[in-house]
Amino acid sequence: EADIYQTPRYLVIGTGKKITLECSQTMGHDKMYWYQQDPGMELHLIHYSYGVNSTEKGDLSSESTVSRIRTEHFPLTLESARPSHTSQYLCASSARGAVGPQHFGDGTRLSIL
Amino acid sequence: GEDVEQSLFLSVREGDSSVINCTYTDSSSTYLYWYKQEPGAGLQLLTYIFSNMDMKQDQRLTVLLNKKDKHLSLRIADTQTGDSAIYFCAESGGTGGFKTIFGAGTRLFVKA
Repeated sequence: EADIYQTPRYLVIGTGKKITLECSQTMGHDKMYWYQQDPGMELHLIHYSYGVNSTEKGDLSSESTVSRIRTEHFPLTLESARPSHTSQYLCASSARGAVGPQHFGDGTRLSIL
Repeated sequence: GEDVEQSLFLSVREGDSSVINCTYTDSSSTYLYWYKQEPGAGLQLLTYIFSNMDMKQDQRLTVLLNKKDKHLSLRIADTQTGDSAIYFCAESGGTGGFKTIFGAGTRLFVKA
């Protein structure tokens, strides 16, 4: 069973606020990912990390930023939230070494008023 | 870039078999996956197959891979209402490296 946790599960907040979405995994996975997904729609990779101190932008441009100071932790930050940021954000991780399946958290549903 | 395509909708009656199809373009893909997503949740890995395999069976799930045609299918036997969800086909290990390329998802509706 994959152990990857996202908090909060739901967040409703006003425009202009700074937001941090948390993602932690207890599997020792080196690679971690953030996806943006509108409900029931396709996934868009917005950030990924090969390991500690490594972050890369994904295929979809995003105003968010990420950091990877510890292996288990990969938070995503929006400095100034806007209504266009309303979406579901999914965090995932995959194991060291060869390619393999990604394991997903339950997601954070973000609504910006 | 590399692509994964799936039909958007499938509707079946409870107790029938469901077959969800997927095509991909990257012939060098190493792993091919099926994920399930229920409303408001993340993606759950259902099963995966290595590119050197033709078939994998796991209880009610059967995965078939036709590498020549770059076609992947997921068969769910005795489909139940609890199987209603979005099913994502995905691949990794090809030109995208460790990144996973996802299809847009097939919405399975199971009628009682």
